[in-house]
Amino acid sequence: GESVGLHLPTLSVQEGDNSIINCAYSNSASDYFIWYKQESGKGPQFIIDIRSNMDKRQGQRVTVLLNKTVKHLSLQIAATQPGDSAVYFCAENLGGAQKLVFGQGTRLTINP
Amino acid sequence: KAGVTQTPRYLIKTRGQQVTLSCSPISGHRSVSWYQQTPGQGLQFLFEYFSETQRNKGNFPGRFSGRQFSNSRSEMNVSTLELGDSALYLCASSLEATGQAEAFFGQGTRLTVV
Repeated sequence: GESVGLHLPTLSVQEGDNSIINCAYSNSASDYFIWYKQESGKGPQFIIDIRSNMDKRQGQRVTVLLNKTVKHLSLQIAATQPGDSAVYFCAENLGGAQKLVFGQGTRLTINP
Repeated sequence: KAGVTQTPRYLIKTRGQQVTLSCSPISGHRSVSWYQQTPGQGLQFLFEYFSETQRNKGNFPGRFSGRQFSNSRSEMNVSTLELGDSALYLCASSLEATGQAEAFFGQGTRLTVV
């Protein structure tokens, strides 16, 4: 069915450590995946995306991994900073139109 | 360039009333999507417009409607408001409507129904 799930609702990490946020998706036909960051009182902010013909994509301090065999998506944040504290959502796009299906989100907390 | 602009930022309405929310996409973007965000249901897709045509609709009752104008600005309307309609309503714009183009979100409109 149309659902994107996250393994953990909360994640706490020490400042400077690497963070890994996981996501499982259910629709094997999904061809586009996005990670969003949402800070309190703001709309979701695009972090990084990946298409189904790729298994890894890197950005500035972030890496997204896609494992289509087990329908798993992960976001890795290197050297986590206080400004990374937020709720992170994975989303998948089903089909050829702008219709995102979001996971429930993981709240990332950075400990000093 | 300016981002996605949603107005108003906050609204308080009474049950049974109707409300209209506005979204101005990024200049040049022709696809506009609307989402409802609540603590219980998370982010849920409402509908998407491209070139003034509704291309996709989520699983919401007919009380939720929208439209897009020739300048790509979009409005959504909720009639006969219910308490459960209290939510953050988010608009996203995209350059393309292919489903593989980055969607940029606005700050949202916080609707409270009392």
